[in-house]
Amino acid sequence: GENVEQHPSTLSVQEGDSAVIKCTYSDSASNYFPWYKQELGKGPQLIIDIRSNVGEKKDQRIAVTLNKTAKHFSLHITETQPEDSAVYFCAASNFGNEKLTFGTGTRLTIIP
Amino acid sequence: GAGVSQSPRYKVAKRGQDVALRCDPISGHVSLFWYQQALGQGPEFLTYFQNEAQLDKSGLPSDRFFAERPEGSVSTLKIQRTQQEDSAVYLCASSLVGGDTQYFGPGTRLTVL
Repeated sequence: GENVEQHPSTLSVQEGDSAVIKCTYSDSASNYFPWYKQELGKGPQLIIDIRSNVGEKKDQRIAVTLNKTAKHFSLHITETQPEDSAVYFCAASNFGNEKLTFGTGTRLTIIP
Repeated sequence: GAGVSQSPRYKVAKRGQDVALRCDPISGHVSLFWYQQALGQGPEFLTYFQNEAQLDKSGLPSDRFFAERPEGSVSTLKIQRTQQEDSAVYLCASSLVGGDTQYFGPGTRLTVL
């Protein structure tokens, strides 16, 4: 089955700087890669996703890049703000097997 | 609009008790998923419904775990004879169709004493 690895497990960034979180996956059939933000006591919230037919997607301060050859994808957050502090999860799935396989999470702390 | 809702939000059970966790998906969403999230870990897949059909239950850890969605809307995850290792947050997610974005509920935190 699919295996998703995520790093770093913790990340501290000065407010205004950029944060990058990286994930690798094992199943070459995976074609959907969402990123979720989870705050304490809440369920995961989708922040951005990318499908395998594109290499990059951007939404304001958030971007995701995908390298299918290397089987890795990354989340980039620019101009970080205190409200970006949370745990971030990457995930992967493929059409026809809709379950998401999640990474182990990155606790992002924005230092004011 | 209304998102995915789950109840109860917190459940404390004594070891050996049965529990039932409810999920109300977003109206009109065909697909419904259950995940288990242990403390400090990512969610792990339990089971998947398309309408009332349970298409994948490969993630259910034992035959003590049972899920149903009889009318293709509300779903219930039942755990019989709870054990301490069942303590976790149980998340429900729904999507409009299979392969579409999954929207998560707030989860039910189960603590087994």
